[in-house]
Amino acid sequence: ESVLTQSPGTLSLSPGESATLSCRASESVSITYLAWYQQKPGQAPRLLFHGASSRATGIPDRFSGSGSGTDFTLTISRLEPEDFAVYYCQQFGPSPRITFGGGTKVEIK
Amino acid sequence: QVQLQESGPRLVKPSQTLSLTCAVSGGSINIGGYYWTWIRQPPGKGLEVIGYIYSSGSTYCTPSLKSRVSMSIDTSKNQFSLKVTSVTAADTAVYYCARAKGDFWGQGILVTVSS
Repeated sequence: ESVLTQSPGTLSLSPGESATLSCRASESVSITYLAWYQQKPGQAPRLLFHGASSRATGIPDRFSGSGSGTDFTLTISRLEPEDFAVYYCQQFGPSPRITFGGGTKVEIK
Repeated sequence: QVQLQESGPRLVKPSQTLSLTCAVSGGSINIGGYYWTWIRQPPGKGLEVIGYIYSSGSTYCTPSLKSRVSMSIDTSKNQFSLKVTSVTAADTAVYYCARAKGDFWGQGILVTVSS
């Protein structure tokens, strides 16, 4: 079964800085099946990207997604206070594969 | 706008069966090609996929839970359900339902397994 490894586990940054989050798959993943989520305490995850780089509705353009094959990246430029959260990557295909990475916490330094 | 809402007992005794329902509103559950997912999150930990179900009734369950999990769907009521048997403290988690592709999620329900 495909495994998604996210790094780093925690990223300590200040507002205004940029964040680069990595998601590495144990097997090649079609970009069609790669998503990113943001989760804040007490809330359900919120879809940021589908298709690795296609922003979901309402996601600001300081967020960007990239990558292919086994290596994917979520970049947040100019961190805003509301961006401090946990971020997950997810593979949801081809059927029946569906799994999440372990998450990266972006915390205020 | 599609909305999902989990419901069910929030406290389950060890060895008993956890049963949850996800009610879908604002859209039909009977959409060809879409599946409906159950995901859980133990306190302070990451997201774990339990499995998913299509409107046809076909299902997929993560191998580690397959022997204890069953899912069903009721298109007439626009809802789908999850059962986990023989629960232990390790099944304590926030349980979420979500639409395929993750664009719509329920708010989650914390289910505690304790005597």
